[in-house]
Amino acid sequence: QKEVEQNSGPLSVPEGAIASLNCTYSDRGSQSFFWYRQYSGKSPELIMFIYSNGDKEDGRFTAQLNKASQYVSLLIRDSQPSDSATYLCAVNREYGNKLVFGAGTILRVKS
Amino acid sequence: EAGVVQSPRYKIIEKKQPVAFWCNPISGHNTLYWYLQNLGQGPELLIRYENEEAVDDSQLPKDRFSAERLKGVDSTLKIQPAELGDSAVYLCASSLDFTNTGELFFGEGSRLTVL
Repeated sequence: QKEVEQNSGPLSVPEGAIASLNCTYSDRGSQSFFWYRQYSGKSPELIMFIYSNGDKEDGRFTAQLNKASQYVSLLIRDSQPSDSATYLCAVNREYGNKLVFGAGTILRVKS
Repeated sequence: EAGVVQSPRYKIIEKKQPVAFWCNPISGHNTLYWYLQNLGQGPELLIRYENEEAVDDSQLPKDRFSAERLKGVDSTLKIQPAELGDSAVYLCASSLDFTNTGELFFGEGSRLTVL
């Protein structure tokens, strides 16, 4: 079992729709969770982080965390073609204070 | 403010040859990371520095990989000798300090092709 699991996709959504990206993690002691966006051929860039259970909103992005279920998600409202990228979930593992990345989900927004 | 700078961007070498990658982090960032990213995979940590001290090198293949961060600023990652399986993108990242472990700023990466 991988420490951080994501559906590889691709997830295809029409422009203007809500894109829902999911991530599960295995280390129950993990305390902080991050979403990075990576355009093709580019390096990852941080778009959201969440530390507490519940929702955190930033513009069109909402991160959701459920520690009991060991589940993190990212919602992108009003998806745009420019949102087409790979979205990497990253979890700060309690043991060793180490950031572990999932393999990423490819998102394609069709205009 | 300048971001994380890496060089070279691309490198093609024959197997068994040595290669070195250089990284200059964001000014004032004490923590520096080297990650490896294979196609279709997420970044995997090779080594993390706090200033000039390597605090996590558990995933660094020490038989052929070495790294240094002299004076706690720039860092160099070396592979000697390179193997076919080392073909990947080597990402350098920095963060303000250890407490911001997840808020990383990445460089553009160095893409290595071993023939």
